[in-house]
Order: sequence, then structure tokens, then C-alpha cells
Amino acid sequence: NAGVTQTPKFQVLKTGQSMTLQCAQDMNHNSMYWYRQDPGMGLRLIYYSASEGTTDKGEVPNGYNVSRLNKREFSLRLESAAPSQTSVYFCASRRTGEEKLFFGSGTQLSVL
Amino acid sequence: QKEVEQNSGPLSVPEGAIASLNCTYSDRVSQSFFWYRQYSGKSPELIMSIYSNGDKEDGRFTAQLNKASQYVSLLIRDSQPSDSATYLCAVNGVTSGTYKYIFGTGTRLKVLA
Repeated sequence: NAGVTQTPKFQVLKTGQSMTLQCAQDMNHNSMYWYRQDPGMGLRLIYYSASEGTTDKGEVPNGYNVSRLNKREFSLRLESAAPSQTSVYFCASRRTGEEKLFFGSGTQLSVL
Repeated sequence: QKEVEQNSGPLSVPEGAIASLNCTYSDRVSQSFFWYRQYSGKSPELIMSIYSNGDKEDGRFTAQLNKASQYVSLLIRDSQPSDSATYLCAVNGVTSGTYKYIFGTGTRLKVLA
């Protein structure tokens, strides 16, 4: 049982490049989340998806887009990366009716 | 004002002591409160949840909630070096029936052997 899988684990981009962070869960969870974690800022919610086909903005959505491709997968796209997007990105999922978040292992992204 | 506030620490306690971690939140309609532990370089993991005023105990951990004061705390008894981690307070800000989990910045705990 893999849980929440994020790819890649590490990525270095140049300013202006685009990329997609992938997240997949095999626990049949309805809700999925994308957070970023910066030193001194804690975990900040970027986007979330309450169910397949729905997405909503979180605290810091600017510069990001998301796609809930199906129930398993929730991707985060940076269209034009900026140094301010250097961070560790975590994907999480949650089963309906429960409140525990299951986190992936994270993606460390550096934008030069 | 950030919605969930924690002292960033580090909080240093000797092995065997009680570690007390505190969290305040601003949204009075919040209903659910959580403590996540995060080891360095790892992802957060849930260790405690609390939904009603008072204390909730689980092994060496006790979560305390005071909704009137908008205050949540985590006590770790008989602290061990393996408890050294960052502890994140999270609050469920339910908006239109959608669950948005807002995290504090975390408190770094160091248990000294």
C-alpha cells in the first residue's frame, strides 16, 4: 500500500520554466490538497480538491494551477516558475468523514 | 494576523520532562484541532486530534482545547530524544462545507539527553 506518492522528489528549474508536480493516492480518498512549506512560514494551502472534478483556491494560489485528473491524481502546475516558488511541496489526501490528512513525502523545488 | 499562531521555538527540555506546546487560532467557528509531528526532512504525521473543550490523552500525549480562549495545547510527558521534531498545530476551517486545514508555523522541540 503506497499511500500518497509524489513525483519528482527533487527538481531544479530556471526562472520562467514550467513544470508539473504529480500526486497520486491509492486509498480511494475523495479530498486532496497541495501545500507548500517554507522556513518560518509553516504549511500553506495552495489548492485543494474536495472531490473529483472540483478544485478550490487555498491561501496562496497565485502562480499555480491544478488539475484533478481523476479520483487518484491531483497535479500542481507552475506555468512560469519564479524564485519565490522555491519551496517544499506536499500533497495530502483525506477520506470523506475522517479528518486525518495523509501526506506524501514531498517535492523539494528550487527555482534559480 | 495569521489564522493559526505558534511560537517557533526551539523549545528545549531535558529528557524525562514535560514539554508544553501552545497554539492560538483566530477563527471562532473552527471545530476540529490537530497536532502533527514532522521530523526533519520528512512529511507531517498526525499524532492527536481534539474536538471538544477539555483534555484528551493518548499515551504520553495530552491535547488540551479551550474554545473560549481559542487556545490549543499539546503536552508531552516523559519527553524522549526521539520526540525532537517540529510540532504543527492545524485547525479545520470549514468553509461552505469544504474542509480547509490551516496550519501554524510549527514549534521546534529539542529534547536533550
